[in-house]
Amino acid sequence: GAVVSQHPSRVICKSGTSVKIECRSLDFQATTMFWYRQFPKQSLMLMATSNEGSKATYEQGVEKDKFLINHASLTLSTLTVTSAHPEDSSFYICSAEVLDRGIGYTFGSGTRLTVV
Amino acid sequence: GQNIDQPTEMTATEGAIVQINCTYQTSGFNGLFWYQQHAGEAPTFLSYNVLDGLEEKGRFSSFLSRSKGYSYLLLKELQMKDSASYLCAVTERSNDYKLSFGAGTTVTVRA
Repeated sequence: GAVVSQHPSRVICKSGTSVKIECRSLDFQATTMFWYRQFPKQSLMLMATSNEGSKATYEQGVEKDKFLINHASLTLSTLTVTSAHPEDSSFYICSAEVLDRGIGYTFGSGTRLTVV
Repeated sequence: GQNIDQPTEMTATEGAIVQINCTYQTSGFNGLFWYQQHAGEAPTFLSYNVLDGLEEKGRFSSFLSRSKGYSYLLLKELQMKDSASYLCAVTERSNDYKLSFGAGTTVTVRA
């Protein structure tokens, strides 16, 4: 239980284009979702917190106009990387808070973004 | 993260025991998590400690000392599949209880 489905798992896009990543909670309602970015051999860095029906809260140094987050329902949050550049190439992971199953947070399977 | 420190790499032999230490500094500590992450995959939950003491779950155990800001993850009877990165993460009141991760410890299990 407490599964988050993340798509796509891998995406290659050209510089200047936009890419949308989706995370869906399959068997629970995710009021809050978190978006992380992870560079090779580094830790997960929190980018933003999305709350259903309200604006996302971005961490310091993360451009909100570049990383658009939408959390329109209790089961879906999306991250859109706009005008992607090669330096945006990274592993993006979503996570949802699971309040009643003793695990705290569950993670999506991640999206490997490569911008060429 | 909130000054979360853990060793970068550890190597051990199949069948052996490895202990991964994690120290942290927080304001309003709320809990500590350990996750396992294989390369290119998302983290998977291993353990959660909020009170002092040892939590045992099969081959994996996790210990917490809140007064010392210290935790360890103990992996027993190591198997090749345990080769992965192990992430220590904390939640704290001053950070709205969001997860803050350490850099991870890469464990390599050798035959």
